[in-house]
Amino acid sequence: AQKVTQAQTEISVVEKEDVTLDCVYETRDTTYYLFWYKQPPSGELVFLIRRNSFDEQNEISGRYSWNFQKSTSSFNFTITASQVVDSAVYFCALSEAFGSEKLVFGKGTKLTVNP
Amino acid sequence: DTGVSQDPRHKITKRGQNVTFRCDPISEHNRLYWYRQTLGQGPEFLTYFQNEAQLEKSRLLSDRFSAERPKGSFSTLEIQRTEQGDSAMYLCASSSPGVNQPQHFGDGTRLSIL
Repeated sequence: AQKVTQAQTEISVVEKEDVTLDCVYETRDTTYYLFWYKQPPSGELVFLIRRNSFDEQNEISGRYSWNFQKSTSSFNFTITASQVVDSAVYFCALSEAFGSEKLVFGKGTKLTVNP
Repeated sequence: DTGVSQDPRHKITKRGQNVTFRCDPISEHNRLYWYRQTLGQGPEFLTYFQNEAQLEKSRLLSDRFSAERPKGSFSTLEIQRTEQGDSAMYLCASSSPGVNQPQHFGDGTRLSIL
């Protein structure tokens, strides 16, 4: 069975600090996809990134970066120079490569960025 | 390109009543998903449509729940004889054709059972 663990329930930082959100996953599939979503207080889940299991290259998008390590089954997310607008709940998710491709989510990490 | 639209945003009902939610996916998205999210948890998969065919249902989806997607466009999720435990946010998502395309979510329908 697939499982995603986000061990950090809540994180609080001061603006401009860097912060890393951890994600560890379990799957027996050799081909799978990993995702990060942001859920601001308004409630709508916003897609941030998709990564397939064959692509271990790290990715950077502005202040966001992702570190995928297959050896440790981790897909961590770092926000550099955090801003108040980054305050949200962040979810890591896993899906199988074939079939319904339904998402299996972690419980989320609530990030609060204080001014 | 309008996003996924869900209606209503909030629904308050008495236990035992039936409720129906509607989801309009992004046009040309052939895949449509329903998830349920309770406080402090991540969304949990309920069911999935590819075009008009319902191809997978979670064991979470008891026989009181039914979903349809006539003509492969909008979808409805009906809960019959609602129970306290049905109180949750019901999320709809859609994705375009292709392998593991990102799912785009609507704002959700928050269901409260009195």
